[in-house]
Amino acid sequence: EVQLVESGGGLVQPGGSLRLSCAASGFTFSSYWMHWVRQAPGKGLVWVSRINSDGSSTSYADSVKGRFTISRDNAKNTLYLQMNSLRAEDTAVYYCARDYGGNSGLDYWGQGTLVTVSS
Amino acid sequence: SYELTQPLSVSVALGQTARITCGGNNIGSKNVHWYQQKPGQAPVLVIYRDSNRPSGIPERFSGSNSGNTATLTISRAQAGDEADYYCQVWDSSTAWVFGGGTKLTVL
Repeated sequence: EVQLVESGGGLVQPGGSLRLSCAASGFTFSSYWMHWVRQAPGKGLVWVSRINSDGSSTSYADSVKGRFTISRDNAKNTLYLQMNSLRAEDTAVYYCARDYGGNSGLDYWGQGTLVTVSS
Repeated sequence: SYELTQPLSVSVALGQTARITCGGNNIGSKNVHWYQQKPGQAPVLVIYRDSNRPSGIPERFSGSNSGNTATLTISRAQAGDEADYYCQVWDSSTAWVFGGGTKLTVL
């Protein structure tokens, strides 16, 4: 059974940093691109970042470019999102999601972890 | 940047057919994916590449895509279909883009 379990969320002050993790199981993690998607309270889904299967290629939404870094450890079956210079507008539930492949959408999602940026 | 436009809400009578649209410039040339999200839960992929259903998704869910509009169709709507629905595409200028979401109400 495919499972994605996020962790690392919490309350952080503006300007602070946080690292999210996503532990994957039930599939060959190193074969799949992975994504982070966020959802502000009461709002819609917003794509944040993606990484290819071996970690050599990444892309980011303009809103987080230069502040967030996506990475992965295929030996540990874990995806990461390092978030720096956090702002109030980064407050959201952050989901990790598996890329189905071949531009076929995101087929498995974690349960999400809440990040709150507030003083 | 590429934008996707969805109606804020759609209502359907129990047992009838609901249609949720997703508008975008020449969206017919792109692969459109649809997600269902129930309150407090993670999104679930219900349609990929315009009209394909992942395993476990009922045949009542179908999709189409042409011109400037993609459509998610839910036949014989059930109370359990009440949820937010999001369309999504990949665009070379904007990367992965989601529509704003549509709240489906089953009356």
